Amino acid sequence: NAGVTQTPKFQVLKTGQSMTLQCAQDMNHNSMYWYRQDPGMGLRLIYYSASEGTTDKGEVPNGYNVSRLNKREFSLRLESAAPSQTSVYFCASSEEGFGYTFGSGTRLTVV
Amino acid sequence: EDKVVQSPLSLVVHEGDTVTLNCSYEVTNFRSLLWYKQEKKAPTFLFMLTSSGIEKKSGRLSSILDKKELFSILNITATQTGDSAIYLCAVRSDRYSGYALNFGKGTSLLVTP
Repeated sequence: NAGVTQTPKFQVLKTGQSMTLQCAQDMNHNSMYWYRQDPGMGLRLIYYSASEGTTDKGEVPNGYNVSRLNKREFSLRLESAAPSQTSVYFCASSEEGFGYTFGSGTRLTVV
Repeated sequence: EDKVVQSPLSLVVHEGDTVTLNCSYEVTNFRSLLWYKQEKKAPTFLFMLTSSGIEKKSGRLSSILDKKELFSILNITATQTGDSAIYLCAVRSDRYSGYALNFGKGTSLLVTP
């Protein structure tokens, strides 16, 4: 099915470990996004890529890096995980005039 | 700083009731306002509103935007238990380039039988 694919779905990390969350879309969208969702906080923008080759910081970028590998793929990296990064992470993509298509999410726990 | 404020934060109603969810915003150069429904997993798109006073409808759900007063409402009539979810409001503005959205904290709706 067409859409946004995120991997992994679940992950437990120890403090200080690193990991990369992968995201790929097959809808030929130009724009892609990474959000985190914490209880009672809604969705907060971490980084986004308005088009292939560009990335920009969102509301909560500290502790994260991103790579827009090509038009399909947008990865999120945690270099040194902290307990404050325990969250559910959503990748999304969009095109002009339409709402987002979200991936199914990654539940990350940092212990 | 852009703000998107939803109210109430949570709501419990009985099946068959009508509910109104509110979203107010203060943003830099408003572009559009979107509503999403989130059940167990990822949010799903409901409506996108760009023009004031034009109601969008889908079945028992409807939404309208007031750009003068800077708010939107989402109405759900004849609620069903399947309407239980978090409803998210999001605004696109000039704060970010592209189509990045600024989300409110959501309204958690519980519909009891």
